[in-house]
This record gives sequence, C-alpha cells and structure tokens, in this order.
Amino acid sequence: AQKVTQAQTEISVVEKEDVTLDCVYETRDTTYYLFWYKQPPSGELVFLIRRNSFDEQNEISGRYSWNFQKSTSSFNFTITASQVVDSAVYFCALSLESYGKLTFGQGTILTVHP
Amino acid sequence: EAQVTQNPRYLITVTGKKLTVTCSQNMNHEYMSWYRQDPGLGLRQIYYSMNVEVTDKGDVPEGYKVSRKEKRNFPLILESPSPNQTSLYFCASSPRTSGREQYFGPGTRLTVT
Repeated sequence: AQKVTQAQTEISVVEKEDVTLDCVYETRDTTYYLFWYKQPPSGELVFLIRRNSFDEQNEISGRYSWNFQKSTSSFNFTITASQVVDSAVYFCALSLESYGKLTFGQGTILTVHP
Repeated sequence: EAQVTQNPRYLITVTGKKLTVTCSQNMNHEYMSWYRQDPGLGLRQIYYSMNVEVTDKGDVPEGYKVSRKEKRNFPLILESPSPNQTSLYFCASSPRTSGREQYFGPGTRLTVT
C-alpha cells in the first residue's frame, strides 16, 4: 500500500523567509507520480506540480522549487522569499497512475506573517 | 472554461435524511472520483469511476453510493447520513492519458447534525 507522510503539521514564518515543506512517500512500485497541491483559505485545491518517478530533475517555478530524491523517497517543496499570499495548506500526494487515485499526506499548514 | 462543478457548495442536514451531491465536468474526462477531507487525515478517496457504468470503492466507501450514467456526471449519494460524514468533499476528474493532472471541483462542505 502507498503512504505519504508530511511530518510538519504547521509551519509559521515571517515574510521573506525561505521555507521548506517536507514530503516522504512509500510505495513498492517503480512507476509512480508525485504531486503538490495548495489549498488557500478559500478552500479550493490548486495543482502545483506533478513529477513521475523516472524524472529526478529538480524543478523551479518562480519562487517555488521542488527537490525529488528517490534515494530518500522524498519530494520536498521550497518557497523562497515567502509572501503572505503563500499562507495555505499544502498537500503532497502520490499516484500509481498519472490519472488514478491520489494518496494524500496529512497536509502542512503554512502561515506567513507580515 | 474547463471545470469541475459541485453542488451544493454548503449543506447542513440531519441524520438519516438522504442527500445527493452532484459533480459535473465539461472536459470529457474518463476518470472521476470523490474524496473527503478531514483535519489531520488529508484527503481520502471514497469512490472512483474509470468510465460510464464502471465504478469501484476507494479507501472509505462505507455509507456512500455513486453512479456514472453519463460521462460528465458523477453524483455522490448519502442514503442515511450520519454525523461522522460531516466533512469537506471534493470531486475530481482526469483524462485516462499519461502526464495529465487531476482537476478538482471547488468542494462541498457538509454538516450532518
């Protein structure tokens, strides 16, 4: 069975600080997909990134970056120079098919203070 | 605009009163699913459907029913709601092709008293 663990329940930072959200996953499959979603206070789920298990390249998108390490089964998410608008719940998720069931972590509540 | 819609967005009901939460997508996606979100537990899959007339249980199916009579619609039915079904519900859809993310609806907040 698959499992995703986000050990950080809540993180609080001050604006402009860098923050890393941890995600550790478990699966016996060699082909899988990893995702990050953002849930702002308004409640909707916003897709941030998808990575397949064969692509270990790190990715950067503006202030966001993702570090995928198969050796440690981790897919960590870093926000550089955080802003108040980054305050949200962030979910890491795993799927064995790119379209199939998502197994979510518990979520990390990020609060960025002005 | 490509989207997944859910109705109602908010619902307060009483124990035992049957209810249906509708989900519709306009992207011609084959795959649809329902999740519930509870504090500290993340989102858990309730039911999913690979295509019309094909549905199967997810991780927490007890107390729920679904149907998929048309490709675009995937309603979630609670025949006898109980307080432990108070939760935030999300419908999602995706095409059955590699390399595409799932699209989520806006969520339905259900309270059962």
